[in-house]
Formats: sequence, structure tokens, C-alpha cells
Amino acid sequence: EPEVTQTPSHQVTQMGQEVILRCVPISNHLYFYWYRQILGQKVEFLVSFYNNEISEKSEIFDDQFSVERPDGSNFTLKIRSTKLEDSAMYFCASGLTLLGAGELFFGEGSRLTVL
Amino acid sequence: KQEVTQIPAALSVPEGENLVLNCSFTDSAIYNLQWFRQDPGKGLTSLLLIQSSQREQTSGRLNASLDKSSGRSTLYIAASQPGDSATYLCAVTNGNQFYFGTGTSLTVIP
Repeated sequence: EPEVTQTPSHQVTQMGQEVILRCVPISNHLYFYWYRQILGQKVEFLVSFYNNEISEKSEIFDDQFSVERPDGSNFTLKIRSTKLEDSAMYFCASGLTLLGAGELFFGEGSRLTVL
Repeated sequence: KQEVTQIPAALSVPEGENLVLNCSFTDSAIYNLQWFRQDPGKGLTSLLLIQSSQREQTSGRLNASLDKSSGRSTLYIAASQPGDSATYLCAVTNGNQFYFGTGTSLTVIP
């Protein structure tokens, strides 16, 4: 069964370092998302991406964050200068249709620990 | 802003029992509602998707209902098994993003 895959599964970094989290969405999907979950808290929306541009972003997704779809398969989230509060599980998700019409599929997540 | 609440926060039941998890949301203008399962330290596995025009969806031992006007959904799990132990999340969408609840942590005791 097709699945969303994410790498790395766990990354430890020093505060101020750049981090890139990678995702391979399901191959025929068109809509891509990043969510994050701080330990013990709700899953929160970061950004949605369609047709090679950001569709919507939350207030969390500030200038330190960026997303890119460098080729036909990868979807990346970059954090330019990590802060302690960026420590969280980051989930990539993809969908075939607009969010309101269809199901959303999530990856296993990338755990980011900022020291 | 949409707020999603799940009650109870934790639930422990003996194996074989039927159980109901509750989800409520403040803004009834949703496109759909999706129930997910999350195992510790893992990703989100989609269980059921209910479109706003639907009242319920079933998959195996799971049945989810939606009452959009009252802002409620329930997830019914029949004949619970230890393998059902996980956190169950509900999420609603306005078409742009999903809003998640904090989840119900379910433990099924053998």
C-alpha cells in the first residue's frame, strides 16, 4: 500500500543550526502538508503546498521556515536557525484532492530535538 | 478559530468491551472529519473519513458518526482488543487545514 515516507526519523541538532526534514509523499498526490506535534500537545498545522507554491501557512510558519518540492517526488521542510522550542515531531502529509474532499495520509514523523 | 475537544482524555477498558470516544468542535462549518490512530512515538494512521454530508462511516469494528449541527462526532469500537491500545485523534477541516483534538489515550487490558 502506498505510504508517505519521512527522513530522518530522529535528528538532534544544536540551537542555531539549519535542519532539513525530507518527505516523499504518495506518488499521485497533489496536496502536501507539514504538521508538528510538540510532546504532549495537539498536532498543529504548519503549511500546505499545492502546484509548487504555498497555499496556506499558520502563524507558526514564520521566516525561519521554508518548504520546497525540488523534484517530482520530494517535499522538504527547512528550519534555518533552530530554536529550543522547535523541538517536536514533524509530520508530512499528502492528499489526492482538496482537503475538504478527501482523506489525508500522514508519514511516521521526524522527531527533531534541539539542544 | 476552530477548537476540537476530545473526551475522555484517557480510557482503560477490559478486552472485549465496546466503547465510545467523543469528539466535539466549535465551528460546524466543516468539510469533513477524520479519525486517526497514533501509536506511541509514531505517525498518524487514518481510520475513518466522514464527509460533512454523511452521518456515519464504518470500517470493520469501527463506526464513526457525525452530527455536524451539534458539533459532535463519536468513534465506536466494538469488541475491543489489546491491539486497539493507542491514542485516537479526531480532526476537522475547513478545507484549508486540519484542526486536531488532543486525543483519547485508550488502553485495552487483556
